[in-house]
Amino acid sequence: QSTLTQPPSASGSPGQSVTISCTGTSSDVGAYNFVSWYQQRPGKAPKIIIYHVSKRPSGVPNRFSGSKSGNTASLTVSGLQAEDEADYYCSSYAGSNIIYVFGTGTKVTVL
Amino acid sequence: QVQLKESGPGLVKPSGTLSLTCTVSGGSVTYSHWWSWVRQPPGKGLEWIGEIYHSGRTNYNPSLKSRLTISADKSKNQFSLNLRSVTAADTAVYYCGRTPDDFYGLDAWGEGATVTVSS
Repeated sequence: QSTLTQPPSASGSPGQSVTISCTGTSSDVGAYNFVSWYQQRPGKAPKIIIYHVSKRPSGVPNRFSGSKSGNTASLTVSGLQAEDEADYYCSSYAGSNIIYVFGTGTKVTVL
Repeated sequence: QVQLKESGPGLVKPSGTLSLTCTVSGGSVTYSHWWSWVRQPPGKGLEWIGEIYHSGRTNYNPSLKSRLTISADKSKNQFSLNLRSVTAADTAVYYCGRTPDDFYGLDAWGEGATVTVSS
């Protein structure tokens, strides 16, 4: 079971920006523009905040943005707020065999 | 707005079968969506398990494929997960979710069901 690599943790003060990387391979992140990002608060289900690399679902603040270069995708949270403290997971479509792979997860702390 | 809710036994014996059902409200399993299962072991990350299309076509995680069946009951607007020959490594929170057509990712999730494999 292949997984995408994320840093275990990231942090920033309120109002600052934090960027989380998500490194995959040429078979998943690098092959498709179908990277999504999920926010998971403690004891809650994940919630999609970015899909198709950089699109935001309705209701997600524009403080959240996504991008991709080669085999690495990134999530940037600008203007950090206390409510952004959560675990963040990336995911990529990986083709007709595995379908989706998830990242290892990053815990974001607002200092 | 679609809502998903998982249900099933919270405790399963080793070598037994883990069975969960996801009930869909505010939508239909007959719509052109993929209906998915994802799990999260305690303190760990997410793992994609598999999915079923409204037509009945399925996709499974290769690492679980030999033990896994996902099915749907249109009359009850539910879809289900059966995982056979379970071990302690299958202990996790199991989530059901939805992927609409022309969308890659899960745009709706259930609240999750905790399943422990133990004798």
